[in-house]
Amino acid sequence: SAVISQKPSRDICQRGTSLTIQCQVDSQVTMMFWYRQQPGQSLTLIATANQGSEATYESGFVIDKFPISRPNLTFSTLTVSNMSPEDSSIYLCSAPGQLNTEAFFGQGTRLTVV
Amino acid sequence: AQKVTQAQTEISVVEKEDVTLDCVYETRDTTYYLFWYKQPPSGELVFLIRRNSFDEQNEISGRYSWNFQKSTSSFNFTITASQVVDSAVYFCALFPVGAQKLVFGQGTRLTINP
Repeated sequence: SAVISQKPSRDICQRGTSLTIQCQVDSQVTMMFWYRQQPGQSLTLIATANQGSEATYESGFVIDKFPISRPNLTFSTLTVSNMSPEDSSIYLCSAPGQLNTEAFFGQGTRLTVV
Repeated sequence: AQKVTQAQTEISVVEKEDVTLDCVYETRDTTYYLFWYKQPPSGELVFLIRRNSFDEQNEISGRYSWNFQKSTSSFNFTITASQVVDSAVYFCALFPVGAQKLVFGQGTRLTINP
């Protein structure tokens, strides 16, 4: 199984500011995934981050709001830009397991925007 | 379309009772994987099991068991002799190999009362 370290684990931010979330995997992976979980809701995929190429965003998510970096095969960042209270959620990063058929998750970043 | 339905939004039982969480999925892919994850109050997503579409054998792991039935597109999860520590939100997820992304159900909040 992959071990994924995500930080910060939680933060309280002022509206209009930006927060960058970091995700570190203990092994090299081609794809990493970023999810948002709004309060009381399920997980929604934001984007898929491939090393060496632009991230692929899901419908309803745009690069200007959620820029993603993927500088190498073990690391990715997600920035939540120009935050509003509606961005208050848990953000989780994910990476596939060895067979590319399972997904392991970081511990999540609990973001509150005030 | 790819879809996962967890019809039970919330379940509450008394400790030591058996409880079954239902999961029904839809996919046109013939090759896919099904997952169950546990999300305790701390927010991290804990991987419980993966099952591929060609393996309908039921699985038991301690107090946990899973029943996969392709004929009804269901992948149900049973906890035997429930304990308070089992209290969490449980997510069923589908990974169609063609889509290369996880699709989550809405989750079932399970509360085990002492």
